[in-house]
Amino acid sequence: DAMVIQNPRYQVTQFGKPVTLSCSQTLNHNVMYWYQQKSSQAPKLLFHYYDKDFNNEADTPDNFQSRRPNTSFCFLDIRSPGLGDAAMYLCATSTPRGINTEAFFGQGTRLTVV
Amino acid sequence: KQEVTQIPAALSVPEGENLVLNCSFTDSAIYNLQWFRQDPGKGLTSLLLIQSSQREQTSGRLNASLDKSSGRSTLYIAASQPGDSATYLCAVSSGGSYIPTFGRGTSLIVHP
Repeated sequence: DAMVIQNPRYQVTQFGKPVTLSCSQTLNHNVMYWYQQKSSQAPKLLFHYYDKDFNNEADTPDNFQSRRPNTSFCFLDIRSPGLGDAAMYLCATSTPRGINTEAFFGQGTRLTVV
Repeated sequence: KQEVTQIPAALSVPEGENLVLNCSFTDSAIYNLQWFRQDPGKGLTSLLLIQSSQREQTSGRLNASLDKSSGRSTLYIAASQPGDSATYLCAVSSGGSYIPTFGRGTSLIVHP
């Protein structure tokens, strides 16, 4: 059974048109992350939540925003997508920090900007 | 800042070979290291998690080792099969952060 679910799996959006990607989890984990992965590159952390505490990476563009209305759901909003934002977006969850922290990933959303 | 490097970037082997994929990291103060598999256009599937206090973990034909002092991990795949074809990524949680930092992965092709 899927534990981290991302919707949609594929998203096509127009240049400059706002788009929202969603992630839900059944693990009741405190931490949720959003990564951006471009072709043949390492996943790059955009931001993460520890419970409701939002943590933005210093180099995450202002164009990217996130919302976490409750423990189970997290959203990635791209206000004005550019061609350079086309990528795979990965959502992950984990338990609180410590040696037993294991990250669980969803199946990703492939974003195409036209 | 933790940096993770994976060698080789790509590998093509005939079916049946035993393989070693390498992962190195710059900060040895790690919590754990995870190996993931990624099929084309898909998300990440966790293969093995090694805690900082462990030396290795095994799952089926996969064995991952960890040498913290030298900043290295290896993923050993025994008797490779075409179904093993995928990209393999390692990720390290380290220092004061539990957040995984990824390498770029090794793209593996196993041909019949």
